[in-house]
Amino acid sequence: SQQGEEDPQALSIQEGENATMNCSYKTSINNLQWYRQNSGRGLVHLILIRSNEREKHSGRLRVTLDTSKKSSSLLITASRAADTASYFCATDDTGFQKLVFGTGTRLLVSP
Amino acid sequence: GAGVSQSPSNKVTEKGKDVELRCDPISGHTALYWYRQRLGQGLEFLIYFQGNSAPDKSGLPSDRFSAERTGESVSTLTIQRTQQEDSAVYLCASSLVGGRSSYEQYFGPGTRLTVT
Repeated sequence: SQQGEEDPQALSIQEGENATMNCSYKTSINNLQWYRQNSGRGLVHLILIRSNEREKHSGRLRVTLDTSKKSSSLLITASRAADTASYFCATDDTGFQKLVFGTGTRLLVSP
Repeated sequence: GAGVSQSPSNKVTEKGKDVELRCDPISGHTALYWYRQRLGQGLEFLIYFQGNSAPDKSGLPSDRFSAERTGESVSTLTIQRTQQEDSAVYLCASSLVGGRSSYEQYFGPGTRLTVT
């Protein structure tokens, strides 16, 4: 079963704008990860944030984690057309050594 | 270095036939995962191998699905008597696993299975 739920399901913006995606999950976690998927094929790891961290940056990506609300957000600043993809959050239930992926947000960045 | 590879990249088969999908993980990665992704959907966990431990098969949807892994190398996912609802992209991933925290997963390009 899927633990994470991304919101919104789809997002359409113009180049240069910021894109924010949210993820909610249900159980206690060790860490939360964000992945990108282009064209329905393999996923690419973007960033990992541990349960004792509240914010993490990587280039134009900013991830926040609120364990009290069981939620995370991914912010992509100054978006580019090449950022067009589906974005998934993934959590590891503390009881299991495997990731559970959310339903994904489809991002479309128009030139 | 080489990433995760999967073969074939595309497979079209007739309903009722068996298919075998292959995954070559990154060398040294002890954990290997299979996922299924139907069109426009999220990833559905199928099975997880970790070293020599018994695999976690909790995600396999029916007894028509099975998977094997030879040591910490190649894995094959077999679907017997394929049905049209088996049509999907099958993704394999590998990772390092330490303690009780999972690490980032490295995905292969997937096998797109179409059952006609």
